[in-house]
Amino acid sequence: SQQGEEDPQALSIQEGENATMNCSYKTSINNLQWYRQNSGRGLVHLILIRSNEREKHSGRLRVTLDTSKKSSSLLITASRAADTASYFCATDPFQGAQKLVFGQGTRLTINP
Amino acid sequence: DTGVSQNPRHKITKRGQNVTFRCDPISEHNRLYWYRQTLGQGPEFLTYFQNEAQLEKSRLLSDRFSAERPKGSFSTLEIQRTEQGDSAMYLCASLPGQAPAGELFFGEGSRLTVL
Repeated sequence: SQQGEEDPQALSIQEGENATMNCSYKTSINNLQWYRQNSGRGLVHLILIRSNEREKHSGRLRVTLDTSKKSSSLLITASRAADTASYFCATDPFQGAQKLVFGQGTRLTINP
Repeated sequence: DTGVSQNPRHKITKRGQNVTFRCDPISEHNRLYWYRQTLGQGPEFLTYFQNEAQLEKSRLLSDRFSAERPKGSFSTLEIQRTEQGDSAMYLCASLPGQAPAGELFFGEGSRLTVL
């Protein structure tokens, strides 16, 4: 079964706008990661936030983590057509095994 | 190219046939993972290796599935007597060292279609 649930399942915005995706999970975690997947391709790691961190930035990406609510958000600012992809959150609920559990993903479409 | 390599990228087979996928991880990575992804879903964990030892298998991995990693380098995932429900993308990922947390490096996947 999948640990995380992303919201929304699909998001379509205009280029230049900001995109926000949310992830909720069920169990205690060591860290939470976000990955991107272009259609038919493998996953690419975007950012990792540890359970003792609340916010992290990487370029146009901003991730927040609220362990009390078991939720995270990914914000992509000033979106570009190349950001069109599926975005997955992944949690590491098992100590040391790095056996990531992925959500169902948010399919993001950036319209030019 | 020093990334994770998977072969073949696409495989179409008839129900009942056996298929084998190969994964070559990044050379210094001693952990290797197999995931399965069906259309519209996130990847689901199948199994993982640390060096040549298979440390955990998901209940998704029925007895028709077998994975090996001889000598702790490349890995193979074999599916025997394929069923239409096996149609999916099979993803391999690797991870360096003993770090308890870190990014997984994924290959491009092997897409299986069972007719």
